[in-house]
Amino acid sequence: DVKVTQSSRYLVKRTGEKVFLECVQDMDHENMFWYRQDPGLGLRLIYFSYDVKMKEKGDIPEGYSVSREKKERFSLILESASTNQTSMYLCASSLLTDSGNTIYFGEGSWLTVV
Amino acid sequence: QKEVEQNSGPLSVPEGAIASLNCTYSDRGSQSFFWYRQYSGKSPELIMFIYSNGDKEDGRFTAQLNKASQYVSLLIRDSQPSDSATYLCAVAPSFSGGYNKLIFGAGTRLAVHP
Repeated sequence: DVKVTQSSRYLVKRTGEKVFLECVQDMDHENMFWYRQDPGLGLRLIYFSYDVKMKEKGDIPEGYSVSREKKERFSLILESASTNQTSMYLCASSLLTDSGNTIYFGEGSWLTVV
Repeated sequence: QKEVEQNSGPLSVPEGAIASLNCTYSDRGSQSFFWYRQYSGKSPELIMFIYSNGDKEDGRFTAQLNKASQYVSLLIRDSQPSDSATYLCAVAPSFSGGYNKLIFGAGTRLAVHP
């Protein structure tokens, strides 16, 4: 079974802090994603990566950056946390393929910025 | 116009009935379609995917795709209280290549009452 692990499940941070959310997958997937999920808005893509050191902006990249130094690890960074970044953050991974393929999600990280 | 639209619900059905969940999408070139189930406080888990027009059955679940009308639906037969969750429709748009940049609907909340 695919395993996507988000190390921090619940975090409370102060406005202006730098926040790191870590994600590791164990299935050698090329693609990795960071989404945030807010009530009524669904899942929105922040960034994704299709290879080591490669990244592309998603729909809402402002205020975020990412790092992918190793294939299995994809980190989301909030350079200066703000209250509007309070949300549930979901990491996901999938194979690179010409046809559609399944995205597998981690268990989520609940971030509260106060 | 949202790219993937779902009725937010709640859709309330009695135990044993058929639950019908609908989703429409705007990108006519979309190729892959996914249904995820998400329990409260948990991450989404894949139920089914469908690529071709018509029906695809898996146990109590049937996905239906009509590309001409740009809708995809999920039928749950013999609904159980354990099916109570939010169901997310996701679409791989034509421009996403092999990167699975799925676009998610906001989800439909299903409540199955005994």
